[in-house]
Amino acid sequence: AQSVAQPEDQVNVAEGNPLTVKCTYSVSGNPYLFWYVQYPNRGLQFLLKYITGDNLVKGSYGFEAEFNKSQTSFHLKKPSALVSDSALYFCAVRDIWGGADGLTFGKGTHLIIQP
Amino acid sequence: GAGVSQSPSNKVTEKGKDVELRCDPISGHTALYWYRQSLGQGLEFLIYFQGNSAPDKSGLPSDRFSAERTGGSVSTLTIQRTQQEDSAVYLCASSRDGGAGGYNEQFFGPGTRLTVL
Repeated sequence: AQSVAQPEDQVNVAEGNPLTVKCTYSVSGNPYLFWYVQYPNRGLQFLLKYITGDNLVKGSYGFEAEFNKSQTSFHLKKPSALVSDSALYFCAVRDIWGGADGLTFGKGTHLIIQP
Repeated sequence: GAGVSQSPSNKVTEKGKDVELRCDPISGHTALYWYRQSLGQGLEFLIYFQGNSAPDKSGLPSDRFSAERTGGSVSTLTIQRTQQEDSAVYLCASSRDGGAGGYNEQFFGPGTRLTVL
C-alpha cells in the first residue's frame, strides 16, 4: 500500500521569506512523487515531479523539492515567498511496482503568505 | 491548447436519484482518471482508464459507482441511488500515458461539485 503524510494543515510565512511544505511517503517499492497546487474554486495544477535522477527537482513558479530516500521525504521549497503563492498544496505518490494506478494524495497543506 | 473539461460544474440532486458526470480529456491523452475530493476524505482515487485496456476500478467506493470511456476519449462517471455521503467534488484528470508506473503528470479538470440533498 502507498500513503502520503503532510503533517501541517497550515503553514504561515511572511512574504519574501523562504517557505517549506513538508511531505513524507510510504511505498513498497520505489516512488514517483508529485506536488500539485489548488487555488480557490479551481482544479489542481501540476508543480513538479520526481521520477529518477537528481534528487533536487525544479518546477513551476520558482518551486523546488528535494527527494530524500533515507527519510522518505519530498519537501516543497521556495527561496522567497510571494503573496500569490497562498493556496492549498498537495503531495502525491505512485508506487512504481504496484498498488493502484491512480495517485495517492496527502491531505493537503494550506500555505498562507502574509504581506 | 484546451485543457480537461468537465460537466456539469455543479449538480444538485435528491437522495436516491442517479447522476452522470462527464469528462473530456486533453486530446491525445490516453490515460484518464477520476478522483473524489471531500472534506472528510481528502482526494481519493476512484478509477483509471488506459487506452482500450480494462479499467482499474480498485478505488470505487461501492457498486453504485461505475464509469465508461467511449472511443478512448470522453468518460462518464455514473452514481446510482445517490446518498448524502456521495456529496463531493469529482475531479477528472488525463495524462499522455499512464503506463510504465504512471510517471507522466496528470492534468486536472475544474471538477463537478455534487450535492446530494
